[in-house]
Amino acid sequence: NAGVTQTPKFQVLKTGQSMTLQCAQDMNHEYMSWYRQDPGMGLRLIHYSVGAGITDQGEVPNGYNVSRSTTEDFPLRLLSAAPSQTSVYFCASSSRQGNEQFFGPGTRLTVL
Amino acid sequence: SQQGEEDPQALSIQEGENATMNCSYKTSINNLQWYRQNSGRGLVHLILIRSNEREKHSGRLRVTLDTSKKSSSLLITASRAADTASYFCATEVPYSGAGSYQLTFGKGTKLSVIP
Repeated sequence: NAGVTQTPKFQVLKTGQSMTLQCAQDMNHEYMSWYRQDPGMGLRLIHYSVGAGITDQGEVPNGYNVSRSTTEDFPLRLLSAAPSQTSVYFCASSSRQGNEQFFGPGTRLTVL
Repeated sequence: SQQGEEDPQALSIQEGENATMNCSYKTSINNLQWYRQNSGRGLVHLILIRSNEREKHSGRLRVTLDTSKKSSSLLITASRAADTASYFCATEVPYSGAGSYQLTFGKGTKLSVIP
């Protein structure tokens, strides 16, 4: 099993550009989530999904959009990138909310 | 807002010594988890302790939970250089409506084990 995979590993964007961070898992987990990690801030929840077709906002959802058309994939879209979105983004999955979460390797995003 | 807070923020010890990290939280929880993050990598789950448990062991790891004090500790015994990493506690708390729970993470303790 590959576990949780994320692409790309690194990305540089200009202010106002849009892009999609990809996340996929092969463990048949219902629950998936996106976090951002900033220095000194720990991890903050952006959006989460409890199953295909169901998504909800986390602590810091503004400027991000998600969809969950399949159990395996949970892409995160940046609608119009801003320098404040410079961060490391992690996708995670688990068999249910609150269980052990499996994290992807992260995407390091820089917005100029 | 962040629920858990680790203490200390940074810890430096010699190889072979024990390392203790603490986590305090604010509201009632269903469970508390500890994760490790090596530099530049994703988080790796270490151990989960439920609110009705007081102590749990996994290899060289020992976790305690005191719900009356809203605190937990992670003990790593006989530390190794490979234990150098950041350690995060995460608490499962009710979130945004009936039956919904989320993990909220603290800011982490940065552990350095000197060979």
